[in-house]
Amino acid sequence: DGGITQSPKYLFRKEGQNVTLSCEQNLNHDAMYWYRQDPGQGLRLIYYSQIVNDFQKGDIAEGYSVSREKKESFPLTVTSAQKNPTAFYLCASSLGGSANHEQFFGPGTRLTVL
Amino acid sequence: QKEVEQDPGPLSVPEGAIVSLNCTYSNSAFQYFMWYRQYSRKGPELLMYTYSSGNKEDGRFTAQVDKSSKYISLFIRDSQPSDSATYLCAMSPIISNFGNEKLTFGTGTRLTIIP
Repeated sequence: DGGITQSPKYLFRKEGQNVTLSCEQNLNHDAMYWYRQDPGQGLRLIYYSQIVNDFQKGDIAEGYSVSREKKESFPLTVTSAQKNPTAFYLCASSLGGSANHEQFFGPGTRLTVL
Repeated sequence: QKEVEQDPGPLSVPEGAIVSLNCTYSNSAFQYFMWYRQYSRKGPELLMYTYSSGNKEDGRFTAQVDKSSKYISLFIRDSQPSDSATYLCAMSPIISNFGNEKLTFGTGTRLTIIP
């Protein structure tokens, strides 16, 4: 089955630690995205990548980093510089180009900072 | 002011009722309009997608876009308990190749269908 997988489903982190969230897709999509979802704020774009080895900052990139070494994979690292990292993180992908608006989402990772 | 405004609810209606969910927006460049459904603790799933003004129907769901009023709606007929979820509107402008193509989301409306 084609789709987007995210792991882990739940993640707990101590303050001051970096953590990496995994996102993999087998839809052969060129574009991939990371969003953060907080209650009452909708989805906010962290980073996005249109093609392999290229990515751009979204609206709230501070304290996050990404890489796009393979078409299928777009991991997100939440660094200790992110002041309020507890949130629900969603990865999405789309065909790219003029089809970018049809984004398909993974099941999400809930990160809690202890 | 946010680019996209959506009433967060919560909205509770009895089973079988017609549900109306709405978003307003301020950016006249938006051309593509989407509705996503998100069940609790899950990722959003694309429900409806429309381009420019007009109506689109898919089973019990109808998406409506009024660009002159900058207003979009999602109607759910014969609502079922399984429709209980958060509904997110999303929109984007005409997309050029590898430009700043981004979706702008509403905050979501939490809907509960009461059996």
